This record gives sequence, C-alpha cells and structure tokens, in this order.
Amino acid sequence: AQSVTQPDIHITVSEGASLELRCNYSYGATPYLFWYVQSPGQGLQLLLKYFSGDTLVQGIKGFEAEFKRSQSSFNLRKPSVHWSDAAEYFCAVVGRDDKIIFGKGTRLHILP
Amino acid sequence: AAGVIQSPRHLIKEKRETATLKCYPIPRHDTVYWYQQGPGQDPQFLISFYEKMQSDKGSIPDRFSAQQFSDYHSELNMSSLELGDSALYFCASSHSGGIRETQYFGPGTRLLVL
Repeated sequence: AQSVTQPDIHITVSEGASLELRCNYSYGATPYLFWYVQSPGQGLQLLLKYFSGDTLVQGIKGFEAEFKRSQSSFNLRKPSVHWSDAAEYFCAVVGRDDKIIFGKGTRLHILP
Repeated sequence: AAGVIQSPRHLIKEKRETATLKCYPIPRHDTVYWYQQGPGQDPQFLISFYEKMQSDKGSIPDRFSAQQFSDYHSELNMSSLELGDSALYFCASSHSGGIRETQYFGPGTRLLVL
C-alpha cells in the first residue's frame, strides 16, 4: 500500500537559516508528489508538485524539493527561512488507486 | 485568481443535530473532493465527485452524504452529529476528474460539535 512518512513531527530553525523537511514515500511506480503548507487555522496551500521530468522542483515562496527515486524521498528545502514560514507542512502522494495520501505533517517553528 | 470557497467558515452544532457544508470550486474545475482533518491530524479523504457523479469514496461515515450540483458546487450533509465529528473540513477542486490533477484546497470549515 502507498504511504507517506514525515519522520520529523516538529522542527525548529532560526530565522535566516536553511531548512530541509524530510518526506519518504512507499510506492511501486513513479508517484505523483506534493508539498502543501497549512498556516494555523487555515487551508492547505500547494507549494510545489512533482509528476515527471526534472527531479528538482521549484515552488512558491522560495521552496524547492528534490525527488530521489533511489531513496524514495521528496525532501523540501529552503535556503533561508522567514518568520512567516512557521506553519505545518504536509507531504502527499497520489498512488495507483488515485487516492491522495498525506503524511502526518511537520510543524515548523522559527526562532527570531 | 479565484480560489475554492467554503461556507460557512465556522459552525457550532450540538450532538444529534445536522450540518450542511458548502464548497464552490475554482471556475472550470469539474471535480470536488472532501477531506476531514481532526485536531493535530493529517487530512483524511472522505468523498469526491466528478461531473456531478460520485467518483470515489473514502472514510466517510454513513451519517454523512454529499452531492455535486449542476453548477459544480458541492454540499456535505452531516446528520446525527457526534462529538468526534469536530474537525476542520476541507474541500478541494481540480480540473478533468483525474485525481492526479493538482488539487487546490479551500480554507476549510471548522465544525465544533458540543
């Protein structure tokens, strides 16, 4: 069965520091992968997606993610975080049964 | 750009009451998805509609029903509400039915059952 694992429940970084949020998926074929961000009490906003092609995907708000098939990973990165990036981040995969499966989320805290 | 609209944004009900949540997809999107997100949980898929027909069903309780109308808006009807139904309910929309099409989410309706 398809699954998504976000190993870090909470991550804290200082403002201006670099960020990497981990996401591992379980799926036999090439998955469709997404990263969403959810600010407190708000809806899910799509940051970026990977369907095929270039494995380094650029998204909004300065985020990027790299698809690594050998590691079954789709980690989200940002070179310099801003206080407004504090939110919950969800990795998601759409598998062969066309269902979207979310990870449990990683809550990002930013230190001033 | 127009986004997915959900109403109401907040709803307070008592146990055993009914609730109706509405979702207005992005213009020209023909597919609507409903998700439930409990406190501190990831969103769980409930049900989806494509061209006004139910296209997929997830973990939706039998007490809940939904439909998509001719203008593509959708309503989630929830009856005999239970305390455990308190959650954030998201609607998402996409174009052309395939779930592999990117889903755009609305702001959610926060339901509190007392």
